[in-house]
Amino acid sequence: SQQGEEDPQALSIQEGENATMNCSYKTSINNLQWYRQNSGRGLVHLILIRSNEREKHSGRLRVTLDTSKKSSSLLITASRAADTASYFCATDVSNTGKLIFGQGTTLQVKP
Amino acid sequence: DADVTQTPRNRITKTGKRIMLECSQTKGHDRMYWYRQDPGLGLRLIYYSFDVKDINKGEISDGYSVSRQAQAKFSLSLESAIPNQTALYFCATSDRTALLYNEQFFGPGTRLTVL
Repeated sequence: SQQGEEDPQALSIQEGENATMNCSYKTSINNLQWYRQNSGRGLVHLILIRSNEREKHSGRLRVTLDTSKKSSSLLITASRAADTASYFCATDVSNTGKLIFGQGTTLQVKP
Repeated sequence: DADVTQTPRNRITKTGKRIMLECSQTKGHDRMYWYRQDPGLGLRLIYYSFDVKDINKGEISDGYSVSRQAQAKFSLSLESAIPNQTALYFCATSDRTALLYNEQFFGPGTRLTVL
């Protein structure tokens, strides 16, 4: 069964707007990661947040983590058409060495 | 990521055929993974290997087998392909020494169609 549940499944916004995606998970984690996938291609790592961190920034990306609620969010600010892709959260489950991926959010940014 | 390569990139086969998907990496990572991706289901782990002598089943290993021929090579086999194995298959690697992080690096994928 999937560890991560992502919301929304699909998101369509205008260029310049912010995009927020949410991820919920079920078990204890070492860290939570976000990946991006352009259509039909391999996933690319975007950002990692450790279980003892609450917020992290990388360029236009902002990730938050609430371990008490077992949830995370990814915010992309000032979106661009090139941000159009699918975004996946992945949880690094404690002491297993495995990542468990959510179903993903498909983001469309209209020019 | 060009450091992780997969062959073939596309494959069409028939039900009952045995096929092998290959993955090679030049990143020097110990850990390698095979995932399949189906629309709406995200990525699901098939098998993973933490070194040449350590192979583990993932979430959906039935109907698949793997071989870790060397640190840099990890192959996935479908012994007798069936249509519901039609999917996009990804290989990934991670660095054992980055134990706290487990960032994974993905290959470009193999699109497999079983008729």
